[in-house]
Amino acid sequence: GIQVEQSPPDLILQEGANSTLRCNFSDSVNNLQWFHQNPWGQLINLFYIPSGTKQNGRLSATTVATERYSLLYISSSQTTDSGVYFCAVVRVPSNTGKLIFGQGTTLQVKP
Amino acid sequence: SAVISQKPSRDICQRGTSLTIQCQVDSQVTMMFWYRQQPGQSLTLIATANQGSEATYESGFVIDKFPISRPNLTFSTLTVSNMSPEDSSIYLCSVEIGGGIYEQFFGPGTRLTVL
Repeated sequence: GIQVEQSPPDLILQEGANSTLRCNFSDSVNNLQWFHQNPWGQLINLFYIPSGTKQNGRLSATTVATERYSLLYISSSQTTDSGVYFCAVVRVPSNTGKLIFGQGTTLQVKP
Repeated sequence: SAVISQKPSRDICQRGTSLTIQCQVDSQVTMMFWYRQQPGQSLTLIATANQGSEATYESGFVIDKFPISRPNLTFSTLTVSNMSPEDSSIYLCSVEIGGGIYEQFFGPGTRLTVL
């Protein structure tokens, strides 16, 4: 099956710093999503980005589908950015909608 | 997007009992899914809840342990049967909006502890 690898596994930042999270996947996809899981366990949709670039405030994401990777940029990090960031994909061809998750990047932002 | 609610939000159960988790969506959706997240781990798909037919289970998950109902296009339940401490996890339902967009949205999750 498709493999989804995220790096780094853990990241500690000082408030105000910038960071880049990476997601590599081993096969063609028709869905790629970035999520933030907060300390209460809720998954928050950040980006639906099977290809191209999107920006939302301090966050932006880029997916290069032909090279099978996606990047999540966090600028001017805040303590509320702490949590686990997941990348998840749906493999092509697929009519099942099965999301395959990476192992996540645990981010801690210190004040 | 979609607004998804789950009940209960958390529960503590005894070994050998069963718990039914409800998932309600504020609009009709074709695709609904159930995922499990074990402590410190990533999410794994349990099954796809199909409206009007039996759920489709992933490898390693069986209907006797995780029976699923999908009576209509806005509601589904997942039962965790004959629980053991290894079933302690967060259980999340998700929906796919459809219409050529494959984005999924997740409910707030049910945090289950089995003693």
